[in-house]
Amino acid sequence: AQSVTQPDIHITVSEGASLELRCNYSYGATPYLFWYVQSPGQGLQLLLKYFSGDTLVQGIKGFEAEFKRSQSSFNLRKPSVHWSDAAEYFCAVGASGGGNKLTFGTGTQLKVEL
Amino acid sequence: EAEVAQSPRYKITEKSQAVAFWCDPISGHATLYWYRQILGQGPELLVQFQDESVVDDSQLPKDRFSAERLKGVDSTLKIQPAELGDSAMYLCASTPNSVSGKPYEQYFGPGTRLTVT
Repeated sequence: AQSVTQPDIHITVSEGASLELRCNYSYGATPYLFWYVQSPGQGLQLLLKYFSGDTLVQGIKGFEAEFKRSQSSFNLRKPSVHWSDAAEYFCAVGASGGGNKLTFGTGTQLKVEL
Repeated sequence: EAEVAQSPRYKITEKSQAVAFWCDPISGHATLYWYRQILGQGPELLVQFQDESVVDDSQLPKDRFSAERLKGVDSTLKIQPAELGDSAMYLCASTPNSVSGKPYEQYFGPGTRLTVT
């Protein structure tokens, strides 16, 4: 069975500082990996995804993530955080066997200090 | 831009009452998902439809929860009777058919926030 671990429940950064949110997955085959963002009381919006190919993927809002198979990680990064980035971030892994089932991590709450 | 629609956005109900949520996926999306998201946790899949057929309801508490997608378009999730522990955000998502076998990202609606008192 697939699983996702987001070790940081809360992270606080200053506006303009760099950001890295950690995500570790467990899956026996090639994973499909996603990062979603959720603002309070809202649904989830896709930031970026990794299916295959280049292990560094670019997403919306200036975010990027790097797939590292050897570390079973898919960390999300942003070089300069904006106050509007404050939200909850979820990493998810999809099964390559079809069915499109996603397993989500427990999320990381990002707070941005002005 | 096409979006997944959900209603109501908020629902307060008393314990033991019945409650229903509605979802209208993006037009043409064959696959529809219902998730439950408890505060402070990630979404957990309750049920997955391919057109009008259920393909995965292994995590759906079938003694009180039911879901249908009669015409393969919009869907309803029902809880009867509601319990205090059902308080959560209920999210609907949809994806197109994957003709290549590769997965699509799931497009989420705004959710229904349920509070059971």
